Amino acid sequence: EAQVTQNPRYLITVTGKKLTVTCSQNMNHEYMSWYRQDPGLGLRQIYYSMNVEVTDKGDVPEGYKVSRKEKRNFPLILESPSPNQTSLYFCASSSHRGKRGNQPQHFGDGTRLSIL
Amino acid sequence: AQTVTQSQPEMSVQEAETVTLSCTYDTSESNYYLFWYKQPPSRQMILVIRQEAYKQQNATENRFSVNFQKAAKSFSLKISDSQLGDTAMYFCAFMHSGGSNYKLTFGKGTLLTVNP
Repeated sequence: EAQVTQNPRYLITVTGKKLTVTCSQNMNHEYMSWYRQDPGLGLRQIYYSMNVEVTDKGDVPEGYKVSRKEKRNFPLILESPSPNQTSLYFCASSSHRGKRGNQPQHFGDGTRLSIL
Repeated sequence: AQTVTQSQPEMSVQEAETVTLSCTYDTSESNYYLFWYKQPPSRQMILVIRQEAYKQQNATENRFSVNFQKAAKSFSLKISDSQLGDTAMYFCAFMHSGGSNYKLTFGKGTLLTVNP
């Protein structure tokens, strides 16, 4: 089954304690991206990756890091989490084949982070 | 930067009736893609329907259809024969047709409740 898998689904932690949210896809997609969803703001892009070792900032990258060492994995790293990073996070992936709009972005099930 | 506006934070409809969700966007591009995503309480992001700006014909997927008015930069979603399972947050989203980032720019969402 084609899927994007995020872990953990839920996490409560404290300010300053480094954490990593993992994202893995089994569709051999080149493109992967991270979004955060906040009430009243919709989803906003944090970082994206066009392929292995190619990453770039999205609209709200401050306080986050990513890496793309393997095609299937795109972890999101919060090195020193703060309460304003409390949010719902989504990983997404899609293929470069064909027209971009015809390649649906597959979303993970989301990770609810609470930073106390 | 592109913006997507959903002016209805909440809407409700009776089961079996028709409801229309509004979306406007701002862009200077001539080609782009527009999407409606559904987020039920399970918080999954589910693609409902997509539209390429070059295509004149409005997209339709079963009970879901769009009214795409390119000159007015409007992209509304019509849900016919509403069902209880349609209860969800609905997001309108925009994607560039070019460039290296397949970013989706989302509106703030419309919470739709279908009443029995």
